[in-house]
Amino acid sequence: AQKITQTQPGMFVQEKEAVTLDCTYDTSDQSYGLFWYKQPSSGEMIFLIYQGSYDEQNATEGRYSLNFQKARKSANLVISASQLGDSAMYFCAMREGRLAGANNLFFGTGTRLTVIP
Amino acid sequence: SAVISQKPSRDICQRGTSLTIQCQVDSQVTMMFWYRQQPGQSLTLIATANQGSEATYESGFVIDKFPISRPNLTFSTLTVSNMSPEDSSIYLCSVQTGGGVNTEAFFGQGTRLTVV
Repeated sequence: AQKITQTQPGMFVQEKEAVTLDCTYDTSDQSYGLFWYKQPSSGEMIFLIYQGSYDEQNATEGRYSLNFQKARKSANLVISASQLGDSAMYFCAMREGRLAGANNLFFGTGTRLTVIP
Repeated sequence: SAVISQKPSRDICQRGTSLTIQCQVDSQVTMMFWYRQQPGQSLTLIATANQGSEATYESGFVIDKFPISRPNLTFSTLTVSNMSPEDSSIYLCSVQTGGGVNTEAFFGQGTRLTVV
């Protein structure tokens, strides 16, 4: 089974509006971390926000917030007040804590966000 | 945090040749990771490179095709050997400065490889 599922291949949002990018995950670990990365057309991966499995409050970083629903195993990214520079690929990723040394991230297939002027 | 310099940033190579990608980190890190991102796809882990030991490869990736060196705690190379057009991808190196689940992963700028 896929560890990270992003069901929206592409999304459009009007400039200055908010948009939600969906992410669901699958793990049997109690301890895990969820990440969102932005990948512009240039190719680099830019860290946006992190949510830990034991965090009781939703993470926020500026215009980014993470809607964490643990029982539903979802970690949706909310971008408020979209800007043209937000147009990029967005990847949801997870790191599991169960195995010592298994520290790599598992990535979803990504959502391409296009902000419309 | 960690700053990663990855080069080359892009290359166009002939099939059957090899390309070595370099990854230099501005601080000492235990584990480095190499990912492949095929066109329009997600990131797939190729291998984990630990200093002083053999790299650990993921299913579907073999050392003969993707040999990795890790001579010290700040440097690693990935070679894509005997290239075919199917190897056209973005290759990214990544490091983590800690071992916990909350550790941010830092990425190099990526190497955009086109095999013709």
